[in-house]
Amino acid sequence: QTVVTQEPSFSVSPGGTVTLTCGWRSGSVSPRDHPTWYQQIPGQAPRTLIYDTDIRSSGVPDRFSGSILGNKAALTITGAQADDECDYYCTLFMGDGTWVFGGGTKLTVL
Amino acid sequence: EVQVVESGGGLVQPGGSLRLSCAASGFAFSNYWMTWVRQAPGKGLEWVANIRGDGGERYYVDSVKGRFTISRDNGKNSVFLYMNSLRAEDTAVYYCARSEWARCDWGQGTLVSVSS
Repeated sequence: QTVVTQEPSFSVSPGGTVTLTCGWRSGSVSPRDHPTWYQQIPGQAPRTLIYDTDIRSSGVPDRFSGSILGNKAALTITGAQADDECDYYCTLFMGDGTWVFGGGTKLTVL
Repeated sequence: EVQVVESGGGLVQPGGSLRLSCAASGFAFSNYWMTWVRQAPGKGLEWVANIRGDGGERYYVDSVKGRFTISRDNGKNSVFLYMNSLRAEDTAVYYCARSEWARCDWGQGTLVSVSS
């Protein structure tokens, strides 16, 4: 079983808003878990979008935002564009020096 | 500009060994943790190992403990992943990254294929 959970897939209309989530299988995500979000276009290396819950990496458009919603970390894309269609991964700190990725969310924009 | 470039991937038989290298530039190498992440064909990302800037701390995912060793040479701005007793399930693209907590600057990856 996956320790970190993400929606396997999600769909959004162009111009729409979508929120992807990242949670522990058991327990709540908090800022001390340093939730971090990555974007990966198939065939390319990942790119860091959001780190430490809500800090955008350099060059990331402000339509990408991070937060804690309820007991999960969240990545919200506002005004979705066609080139946002790709895979999104989150990672959480295990507290023992190790990290674990979620299974990823395949986002479709249509 | 931060750059990390992986090398050393290739085809290896089950039970074999391989050393991956990652050459870094554009930043004060010894000040940063370095991380290896892998991605099996058609699968998601998997955190593999990381090492502190001075090499004093190293961590591994359970599935590679005892088989993989991460090390670094700060004089050569390089980090390495020594992989022994390789298995078919180790087949993946291996990415090297400069990391500040989980904020990563990624390389383009090197492919490791374990097959007879």
